[in-house]
Amino acid sequence: DQQVKQNSPSLSVQEGRISILNCDYTNSMFDYFLWYKKYPAEGPTFLISISSIKDKNEDGRFTVFLNKSAKHLSLHIVPSQPGDSAVYFCAAKIRGGSEKLVFGKGTKLTVNP
Amino acid sequence: ETGVTQTPRHLVMGMTNKKSLKCEQHLGHNAMYWYKQSAKKPLELMFVYNFKEQTENNSVPSRFSPECPNSSHLFLHLHTLQPEDSALYLCASSQSGGRETQYFGPGTRLLVL
Repeated sequence: DQQVKQNSPSLSVQEGRISILNCDYTNSMFDYFLWYKKYPAEGPTFLISISSIKDKNEDGRFTVFLNKSAKHLSLHIVPSQPGDSAVYFCAAKIRGGSEKLVFGKGTKLTVNP
Repeated sequence: ETGVTQTPRHLVMGMTNKKSLKCEQHLGHNAMYWYKQSAKKPLELMFVYNFKEQTENNSVPSRFSPECPNSSHLFLHLHTLQPEDSALYLCASSQSGGRETQYFGPGTRLLVL
C-alpha cells in the first residue's frame, strides 16, 4: 500500500499562473516532507522541505503547505515559468532517525508559454 | 567533478551477464543509497549505507549485490537479472542525521534483455 500518494499524474498551467501540486500521506509517523524536481535524463533535485512542526515554508517562488490533520501537503509555484516543467516528487521521512525516504509516483507539470 | 556521479549512464545486458553500476559522491556525505525507478511506479529504496555499513536492505533480491568500500563510493553488482529489472537506478547521498536532504545522481538506465 502506498504511503505517499500523488493522485494527479499530470498538471498543465499557463506561464505566470499558479501551479499547485498535491500530495497525501497515510503514515502519521512521517515528520519531515520534501519535494524533488526531476528533468528527463537527470536525477531528482531537492526543491523544498517542511518539518511537521510547521505548516508553511517558503523559498522564493516555491511554497510548501502542510496540513497534518488532513495528512496533506501541497507545493505552490507562483508565478509558474516554462523552466518549471518537470516531474515533481513528494517524499516523506519516517520518524526515528531512519534515512529512508518514501516517495510518491510524481506529477508531471507542464507550464505553457 | 561535483555532486553525485554515476556510471555508466546506460547499460544493456543479457540475463546471464554480470555487470556493476558505480556511484561516487563528492559532497563529503556519509550516507549513500540505491533507488530503483520503474515506469509508473514511485522511487523504491533498495539499500542504505551509513559510514560504509549497510543499514537497510529493502527486501531486494540477491541478484542485486551492493558494495560500499568507503563513504564516497557505492557499487551495485548485477548478475542473472530478469527483464523486469529493467529500470532507472539512482544513487543518492546525504549527511546522516535523520533530516538531511538526499542528493541524487543522474541515474543509470538499465535494460535487461
